[in-house]
Amino acid sequence: QQPVQSPQAVILREGEDAVINCSSSKALYSVHWYRQKHGEAPVFLMILLKGGEQMRHEKISASFNEKKQQSSLYLTASQLSYSGTYFCGTAYSGGGADGLTFGKGTHLIIQP
Amino acid sequence: DSGVTQTPKHLITATGQRVTLRCSPRSGDLSVYWYQQSLDQGLQFLIQYYNGEERAKGNILERFSAQQFPDLHSELNLSSLELGDSALYFCASSMNPSETDTQYFGPGTRLTVL
Repeated sequence: QQPVQSPQAVILREGEDAVINCSSSKALYSVHWYRQKHGEAPVFLMILLKGGEQMRHEKISASFNEKKQQSSLYLTASQLSYSGTYFCGTAYSGGGADGLTFGKGTHLIIQP
Repeated sequence: DSGVTQTPKHLITATGQRVTLRCSPRSGDLSVYWYQQSLDQGLQFLIQYYNGEERAKGNILERFSAQQFPDLHSELNLSSLELGDSALYFCASSMNPSETDTQYFGPGTRLTVL
């Protein structure tokens, strides 16, 4: 089952903050966040594990709420380079035999 | 640069034809994943290999097949191509076939079926 990402799109001014959510109706094992610029490969940002801690990469951080089966990506003091489409990829089992199921993406536009 | 390489970068072919996409994983990675990205379906998992063996199957059509060779490079074969197969095809690799390992994506092959 495909995770649901919200919002579908966000337009921000440089320096503003944003939150992107990724929700699943099925119990999550891990959540992987990627950023993709048009026509390029998805670039890995971070992994959130079931029972794990909040992760941080520069001014981007993420959390995993096991009770809600939801992960949130927080972009603080956004920069122009943050523009792109953000995808969450989810894994549901710990058996080592599973590709990621990706949400439809959140389009983020940062304006100067 | 993720360290994953894919060839060719672009491929234009006609309906009914067969093509082969190639992927070399990052040095040290044993697991390879194939994904298809299209406007209507989004980013979809096709198939996973680990150390030469098929590990998991996703939404892969019967007209598509893949394999991983002893040197760990992988090929995705698409046959009897249809217009709807036009998409970006990504290969990703990870060290282990684990849901906690990072998957690094290659630059992709853009397939256009005319």
